[in-house]
Amino acid sequence: ETGVTQTPRHLVMGMTNKKSLKCEQHLGHNAMYWYKQSAKKPLELMFVYSLEERVENNSVPSRFSPECPNSSHLFLHLHTLQPEDSALYLCASSQDIAERPATNEKLFFGSGTQLSVL
Amino acid sequence: AQSVAQPEDQVNVAEGNPLTVKCTYSVSGNPYLFWYVQYPNRGLQFLLKYITGDNLVKGSYGFEAEFNKSQTSFHLKKPSALVSDSALYFCAVRDIEDTGRRALTFGSGTRLQVQP
Repeated sequence: ETGVTQTPRHLVMGMTNKKSLKCEQHLGHNAMYWYKQSAKKPLELMFVYSLEERVENNSVPSRFSPECPNSSHLFLHLHTLQPEDSALYLCASSQDIAERPATNEKLFFGSGTQLSVL
Repeated sequence: AQSVAQPEDQVNVAEGNPLTVKCTYSVSGNPYLFWYVQYPNRGLQFLLKYITGDNLVKGSYGFEAEFNKSQTSFHLKKPSALVSDSALYFCAVRDIEDTGRRALTFGSGTRLQVQP
C-alpha cells in the first residue's frame, strides 16, 4: 500500500445531498492534494495544501470545499453537486511542495473515491 | 504555463515486443518530467522521473524514458512488454522556473494493453 488511505471507496449521492470525502496519510508528509480523474481527460488538480495552508486553488466551483485540519488529514466536502461531477477523486501527498521543486519530489496517491452523482 | 499531451488514448502491443508510450510537454522554463502508472482500482504510482543529467532515465519494472529537449518529448519505453504491464500511464510535468505553479500537471493518460 502507498500509505495514503481514502474513504469511502464508492459514493452515490443525489444533487441535493451533502457528503464528505476523507483522506489520511501515514507518511509524515507536509503537502496534500485533491485531483479529479475523468475518463479521457487530463488529471485535474483541484486543491493543494502545504502545512495545512491552501497554496493552490484551481478555479474549482464552490460546491467543492476542502478542509485540512492537520498535515495528516484532508477532506473534500461536497454540496449540491451536478451529474458532471461524477468522477474518481484522488488524494495524494508529498514530502513538501516548495516554490522550487526538490529532486526527490514524488507524489503518493490513494486508491480514490468513485463518486456518482444522480 | 505548463502542459502535457499524450496523443494516444490506447496502445496495443504483443507480449515480448517493445513498447513506446508517447508524451510531449510545454513549459516556459526547464521541465521536471514524470511518469506514473495506474493499475485497475488503484491510485497512481510513481514510475520514473527526469530532473537533470542523462537524457535516458530508468525506472521501476524495467521501464525507461528518454528526455528530448529539442522535440519537447519524454516517451516511455520498455524493450519487452509483459501482460502485467497493462495499465493506464500518465505523463506529468513541472516547470522549474514557474514558482507560482507548484503542483504537477498531468496528461490525459494512455491505456497500454499487452496481448498474450
